[in-house]
Amino acid sequence: AQSVTQPDIHITVSEGASLELRCNYSYGATPYLFWYVQSPGQGLQLLLKYFSGDTLVQGIKGFEAEFKRSQSSFNLRKPSVHWSDAAEYFCAVGAAGGSYIPTFGRGTSLIVHP
Amino acid sequence: DAGVIQSPRHEVTEMGQEVTLRCKPISGHDYLFWYRQTMMRGLELLIYFNNNVPIDDSGMPEDRFSAKMPNASFSTLKIQPSEPRDSAVYFCASSKDRGYEQFFGPGTRLTVL
Repeated sequence: AQSVTQPDIHITVSEGASLELRCNYSYGATPYLFWYVQSPGQGLQLLLKYFSGDTLVQGIKGFEAEFKRSQSSFNLRKPSVHWSDAAEYFCAVGAAGGSYIPTFGRGTSLIVHP
Repeated sequence: DAGVIQSPRHEVTEMGQEVTLRCKPISGHDYLFWYRQTMMRGLELLIYFNNNVPIDDSGMPEDRFSAKMPNASFSTLKIQPSEPRDSAVYFCASSKDRGYEQFFGPGTRLTVL
């Protein structure tokens, strides 16, 4: 079975600063990887996903993530954070081919200071 | 498409009462998931359906919880009797296939007094 760890419960950044949210996964084969965002009072929304190919994937709202197989990581990045990015971010890992339901991490809460 | 629709958005009830949460998945999605989100336990998968058939309900916490999917466009999650520890946000999500991206509804915030 797969598992995912988001080591940071909270991250605080200043508006305009760069951001990196960490995600480490455990899975014995090629994973499917996802990042979701949850704004206050709303459901989760897909930011980006990795299935295969280019290990640097672009998503919505200016986010990107890089799959590093050697480090079992799929970190989320944004070069310049906006106040509206304050939200909860979830990493999820599934199995290539879609044979397993994705497992979600505990989430990282992003706080943006003006 | 309107996305996944959940109702009600908020529910406040008293301990011992029956609660029914409703979900309409995205048309054409064969998988439907029910999740519960709390501060203590994070996002928990309760049950999921494939083509209206329950596949895995191992996440359902107790016999007080039950879920049905009578057709492809409607599912319910019922708690009877409800308890204060059931207070949480309940999400419904749907997807085209089991391992692919899920589309979440806005959630139902349940408060049991």
